[in-house]
Amino acid sequence: GENVEQHPSTLSVQEGDSAVIKCTYSDSASNYFPWYKQELGKRPQLIIDIRSNVGEKKDQRIAVTLNKTAKHFSLHITETQPEDSAVYFCAASKDTGRRALTFGSGTRLQVQP
Amino acid sequence: DVKVTQSSRYLVKRTGEKVFLECVQDMDHENMFWYRQDPGLGLRLIYFSYDVKMKEKGDIPEGYSVSREKKERFSLILESASTNQTSMYLCASSFFAPDGTISSTDTQYFGPGTRLTVL
Repeated sequence: GENVEQHPSTLSVQEGDSAVIKCTYSDSASNYFPWYKQELGKRPQLIIDIRSNVGEKKDQRIAVTLNKTAKHFSLHITETQPEDSAVYFCAASKDTGRRALTFGSGTRLQVQP
Repeated sequence: DVKVTQSSRYLVKRTGEKVFLECVQDMDHENMFWYRQDPGLGLRLIYFSYDVKMKEKGDIPEGYSVSREKKERFSLILESASTNQTSMYLCASSFFAPDGTISSTDTQYFGPGTRLTVL
């Protein structure tokens, strides 16, 4: 089955700096890659997603890049703010067979003011 | 606004008890999921369901069962609770595109979670 690895497990940056979180996946048939943000004590919420027919997607300060050949995708947050502090999860799924998401282990991002 | 609710935020049970965790969604979603969340392990899929009375095992189904008698309701059952089932349990739901393709409507909407402690 699919296996998603996520790095780093913790990340501390200064406010205004950029943050990058990386994930690799094992199933070459996976074609949907969402990112979820979970603030302390709250439920995970989708912040951005990308499908395998696209190499990059951007939404304001957040961007996701996908390298299908290398089977890895990354989340980029620019001009970080304290409210970006949270746990971020990457995930992968595909159109066929088991369509449930497989999640990475999470990255705790701390933005220091 | 999508709403996914779970029956309890906090639950304390004793070893060997039968435990029911209930999840309800109001968006007419076909898909429903149960995850457990543990530090450093992310969200691990226990069971999921694509339709009423349909269920499929996830990655860690041992010690759990599920029930989906109605489209909006998905229950997780711990037949005989054990201490290693102490965890945060998250329910989620999503739409299932009729043509089977993945789309942004595959977004999973999560419930608030149930923190279960088994003593």
